[in-house]
Amino acid sequence: GEDVEQSLFLSVREGDSSVINCTYTDSSSTYLYWYKQEPGAGLQLLTYIFSNMDMKQDQRLTVLLNKKDKHLSLRIADTQTGDSAIYFCAETYTGTASKLTFGTGTRLQVTL
Amino acid sequence: DGGITQSPKYLFRKEGQNVTLSCEQNLNHDAMYWYRQDPGQGLRLIYYSQIVNDFQKGDIAEGYSVSREKKESFPLTVTSAQKNPTAFYLCASSPDVQKQFFGPGTRLTVL
Repeated sequence: GEDVEQSLFLSVREGDSSVINCTYTDSSSTYLYWYKQEPGAGLQLLTYIFSNMDMKQDQRLTVLLNKKDKHLSLRIADTQTGDSAIYFCAETYTGTASKLTFGTGTRLQVTL
Repeated sequence: DGGITQSPKYLFRKEGQNVTLSCEQNLNHDAMYWYRQDPGQGLRLIYYSQIVNDFQKGDIAEGYSVSREKKESFPLTVTSAQKNPTAFYLCASSPDVQKQFFGPGTRLTVL
């Protein structure tokens, strides 16, 4: 079965770049996602990448996909205190009716 | 104002009671989903529906039931058969296979 893993915690200083990593096991993944969850709230879709892409950039966010190593990363440039949240990596694959498999989430703490 | 709404935000249940969580969307999305989130864990899929009057079990459907009588609505009932129902419940909807959008969630606590 599919499995998605993330480290639990990351702390960065305001203004620095954050890199949140994710590994997945299913080689037939079609889309990979990054969601953001603030305390007590639902999930906000930040960005997603199709599995035939290596990189996607959207303003301060850069997604890198290494399909050979099944490794996905999210880089947040110029990290702000408002970026403090839990970040979830998720995947979906062909034939699953867009069912998402989530990682356990990485808590990003931004310090002054 | 388009979006996904969930109600109530907080819900308390006595042991042995059934409770129903509401999820409504006005985005005209065909597919809807229910997830459960426990502390320190990712989301786990309970049920999903790709079209009106049809739904499928997810990974942890035991103790839950759903209905999809209208495109806009996908209520989740947590039955007394669910042994550990205290959790944060998230509803999502999707216009296509590419992405899902989430509601604000309902926190259920069993007293």
